[in-house]
Amino acid sequence: EAQVTQNPRYLITVTGKKLTVTCSQNMNHEYMSWYRQDPGLGLRQIYYSMNVEVTDKGDVPEGYKVSRKEKRNFPLILESPSPNQTSLYFCASSTGTGGREETQYFGPGTRLLVL
Amino acid sequence: GQNIDQPTEMTATEGAIVQINCTYQTSGFNGLFWYQQHAGEAPTFLSYNVLDGLEEKGRFSSFLSRSKGYSYLLLKELQMKDSASYLCAPRRHSNYQLIWGAGTKLIIKP
Repeated sequence: EAQVTQNPRYLITVTGKKLTVTCSQNMNHEYMSWYRQDPGLGLRQIYYSMNVEVTDKGDVPEGYKVSRKEKRNFPLILESPSPNQTSLYFCASSTGTGGREETQYFGPGTRLLVL
Repeated sequence: GQNIDQPTEMTATEGAIVQINCTYQTSGFNGLFWYQQHAGEAPTFLSYNVLDGLEEKGRFSSFLSRSKGYSYLLLKELQMKDSASYLCAPRRHSNYQLIWGAGTKLIIKP
């Protein structure tokens, strides 16, 4: 089954304690992305990756890091989480070809609470 | 800016038809996605228009005019399960980045 998985699904942590949210896709997609979603706001892109070892900042990258060492995985790292990073996070992947059959798949989401 | 404009909320009746509009600035975008999102869940893909015109997929159709920066999602034979938010997202040509609207919350009444 084609899917994007994220772990953990729910996380409560404290300010300053480093954490990693994993994301993995089994569709051999080149393009992967991290978003956060907050009430009343649209999805905002944090970072994206167009291929292995190629990452770039999205609209709200401050306080986050990513890596893309292999095609299937795209972890999101919060080195020193702060309460304003409390949010619902989504990982997504797509072929990235831009063609007619382009489809973007989302992971189930990770709900993060930073105290 | 990159304003993506969608109505905040719409209400429709079960069995009816509803059209959700989306407008965006035209520069630098190529293609547009529509997603459905139920509260607390991940967005799910509905359609992707890369060419102008109407794409029909079952009860859902999506239209795009790139020159006008305009798209709409048409939902027919509405069902209660269609109550959700509908997200419009044009795609930037240069880096494939999607720019998301805040979404339209659709409420279906019996």
